[in-house]
Amino acid sequence: GQNIDQPTEMTATEGAIVQINCTYQTSGFNGLFWYQQHAGEAPTFLSYNVLDGLEEKGRFSSFLSRSKGYSYLLLKELQMKDSASYLCAVRPNSGAGSYQLTFGKGTKLSVIP
Amino acid sequence: ETGVTQTPRHLVMGMTNKKSLKCEQHLGHNAMYWYKQSAKKPLELMFVYNFKEQTENNSVPSRFSPECPNSSHLFLHLHTLQPEDSALYLCASSQESSLNYNEQFFGPGTRLTVL
Repeated sequence: GQNIDQPTEMTATEGAIVQINCTYQTSGFNGLFWYQQHAGEAPTFLSYNVLDGLEEKGRFSSFLSRSKGYSYLLLKELQMKDSASYLCAVRPNSGAGSYQLTFGKGTKLSVIP
Repeated sequence: ETGVTQTPRHLVMGMTNKKSLKCEQHLGHNAMYWYKQSAKKPLELMFVYNFKEQTENNSVPSRFSPECPNSSHLFLHLHTLQPEDSALYLCASSQESSLNYNEQFFGPGTRLTVL
């Protein structure tokens, strides 16, 4: 089976740094995605990791360790608009027909003044 | 036009009704998806279409019937639903190729309430 775990809720202060963790146990691994979803809106793509290490994109960075089945999303210089749910998703398979993503339940981040 | 559009945005229906959800993507992608998002549950993949061919059907009850007439349009036909089917239904699309992330682009969803 596929299992992805992430904290249900987190709270952080405006201007601070927050790290959202994700651990996964899947039948295979062909990439890990992070999505942001504001309440009542569509999820939007944030980052993709397929090799170990850190990917940086502006205020957001994502880290992957395949041997540990672990990823985190790091948000720096938090802004109020960063209040949203952050979804971790793993693509277990590769090759033709490998379209399925397995999602975690999401982490609801609240940024407070 | 924004990338992926869905209509209607909100739908209330009785258990004996028949309705359809519509999704349209303007990104030239070759794969489209239906997901169900319920409170406190992960996004659940329901159906996948690639080049208009259904490639995944994750044990979805037959009261949900997908249709993909072309690579830009995707429908979800609903019939005799149950109250537990109330959820946000999200459509997504992606360009499946070995040259990119193949990230999925989501529509805004249809909030479905079954009475």
